[in-house]
Amino acid sequence: DAGITQSPRHKVTETGTPVTLRCHQTENHRYMYWYRQDPGHGLRLIHYSYGVKDTDKGEVSDGYSVSRSKTEDFLLTLESATSSQTSVYFCAISDSGHTGELFFGEGSRLTVL
Amino acid sequence: DQQVKQNSPSLSVQEGRISILNCDYTNSMFDYFLWYKKYPAEGPTFLISISSIKDKNEDGRFTVFLNKSAKHLSLHIVPSQPGDSAVYFCAARAFYGGSQGNLIFGKGTKLSVKP
Repeated sequence: DAGITQSPRHKVTETGTPVTLRCHQTENHRYMYWYRQDPGHGLRLIHYSYGVKDTDKGEVSDGYSVSRSKTEDFLLTLESATSSQTSVYFCAISDSGHTGELFFGEGSRLTVL
Repeated sequence: DQQVKQNSPSLSVQEGRISILNCDYTNSMFDYFLWYKKYPAEGPTFLISISSIKDKNEDGRFTVFLNKSAKHLSLHIVPSQPGDSAVYFCAARAFYGGSQGNLIFGKGTKLSVKP
């Protein structure tokens, strides 16, 4: 299994509070991704990174920010959580190359009350 | 607009029979397709892929077929086993001017294989 660790695995928070999810990899892969999974929507890309300090937006980036100060860590921050951000968040990594498949972490379940 | 469509939210088959999961896409720039399997409370795992230069790829019990003219691909599982019960996501990627695009996922199909 690819070495990907997400933390926390479960979190309950209140509307308006900041939340940071962490993804840590031991594979030295260049690309890192944050997805959210919601019923009826599948997996949707929030943000991704193609190197240290190099990040870009995905299809559902509003309300989220990311940072990557080291190859191994990719942080997803909700500056002010809303109930619509209740979801399961997955981090994924990939090595370089067009056909590079994604390796996913086990997910972080976030509930915003 | 949804670029990768899995129109069947669920599928139920008998153990030992064939499971066929379908996926349609709209973006003609997609040139690489993947299937992922997801069990509850786990992350998705890669299952099988196919390049647009092929029309079939086989790996054990799993075969993916690609029909580019119809913008359609399907995953065949033969024979189906109870352990195959999971959500299956179809995903596609385009290659734009030397840069890889990001994976676009469908909404998933939940497969139930009954003993």
